[in-house]
Amino acid sequence: QQQVKQSPQSLIVQKGGISIINCAYENTAFDYFPWYQQFPGKGPALLIAIRPDVSEKKEGRFTISFNKSAKQFSLHIMDSQPGDSATYFCAASPRIKAAGNKLTFGGGTRVLVKP
Amino acid sequence: DAGVTQSPTHLIKTRGQQVTLRCSPKSGHDTVSWYQQALGQGPQFIFQYYEEEERQRGNFPDRFSGHQFPNYSSELNVNALLLGDSALYLCASTLLMGTDTQYFGPGTRLTVL
Repeated sequence: QQQVKQSPQSLIVQKGGISIINCAYENTAFDYFPWYQQFPGKGPALLIAIRPDVSEKKEGRFTISFNKSAKQFSLHIMDSQPGDSATYFCAASPRIKAAGNKLTFGGGTRVLVKP
Repeated sequence: DAGVTQSPTHLIKTRGQQVTLRCSPKSGHDTVSWYQQALGQGPQFIFQYYEEEERQRGNFPDRFSGHQFPNYSSELNVNALLLGDSALYLCASTLLMGTDTQYFGPGTRLTVL
């Protein structure tokens, strides 16, 4: 029940195109859903995050869509650029602050943006 | 404002040895979590420290232990290393009663031969 399933595993998109990555979860205690971007040899960097009380959040070219009833959320990268080529991870954590807020990660999506 | 720092960057050990990895949290953060990231996979939660105590633990054996110091920095110790322990070890920090955002360090690449 702790899993977060992410798809696709890899994605190739042309420069200027839209990259879409999907995640699904089972644990209804999850209350915080961040997306991280990771370049080779580096640690994950927070990209954007959402809570279940909103259905969409946009920051620049990055948008999270959230469907609470389906227990699914997705990342859209608009106007994809070669510099966006990286591995993207969705994650989830419960809002149980007294016990800590461990992140459960999806398996990752390797995005390649072709010029 | 320094972010999360980790040392060393790379480490090579042999099976059976012990290793200690170090992490300094982002300024103002009081909680440190450790994650293991095998090649091509998502990070897996090892444990979290707050107020110098282990608050939560993932599905890792007792060979993995940790410590948090009064200045909030933390160590991860792994005993009796196995080949399967080869991975990128990530430290993340947050303010427990803050915004839930966890900031990751660059990681320590551990290779067990």
